[in-house]
Amino acid sequence: GDSVTQMEGPVTLSEEAFLTINCTYTATGYPSLFWYVQYPGEGLQLLLKATKADDKGSNKGFEATYRKETTSFHLEKGSVQVSDSAVYFCALPYNNNDMRFGAGTRLTVKP
Amino acid sequence: ETGVTQTPRHLVMGMTNKKSLKCEQHLGHNAMYWYKQSAKKPLELMFVYSLEERVENNSVPSRFSPECPNSSHLFLHLHTLQPEDSALYLCASSPVSGRNSYEQYFGPGTRLTVT
Repeated sequence: GDSVTQMEGPVTLSEEAFLTINCTYTATGYPSLFWYVQYPGEGLQLLLKATKADDKGSNKGFEATYRKETTSFHLEKGSVQVSDSAVYFCALPYNNNDMRFGAGTRLTVKP
Repeated sequence: ETGVTQTPRHLVMGMTNKKSLKCEQHLGHNAMYWYKQSAKKPLELMFVYSLEERVENNSVPSRFSPECPNSSHLFLHLHTLQPEDSALYLCASSPVSGRNSYEQYFGPGTRLTVT
């Protein structure tokens, strides 16, 4: 069935470093793709999304491009901040009612 | 209040207790969800309600019993839980359910500890 696979963490970076978190998907057709973020002690928040191939989602300096040729939706940010420390989830909708989430990648940014 | 709220935020219960988790959404959405998030597993979808009718039950043990009295409220009734049920329980809502559904909006979760 449809699924997403994201790189395992944890990832530790220094402030202002470049971030990439890899996500690849398996799906029939071309579903929307999402990145969610979970800050400590909170629920998940939608970070960005892309609804069709070649779309680029962006928010808060984060970007991800929906690439059907590589079935990927990698999350990138050019300069991370301490406040970006969180767990990041790649996701896609499945069947009529399900959202398939990746295992999550924990990012820690050190000053 | 706006968004999705959950109460209580933290709950400690014994294995013989009965308790309920509450979720409320103020977004006018038609679908609501319960997820379980534990340290060793990805997010697990437990239940889905669309227009107040249960449309998904992912083989969840009967000690978890959902209730959706209206489109704004969702409950998860708990009884005779096991220590392995300790986890963060997340509620979410979306405007519609379906493969091309809009993104889901999550509450802050209830951290449940079963002793």
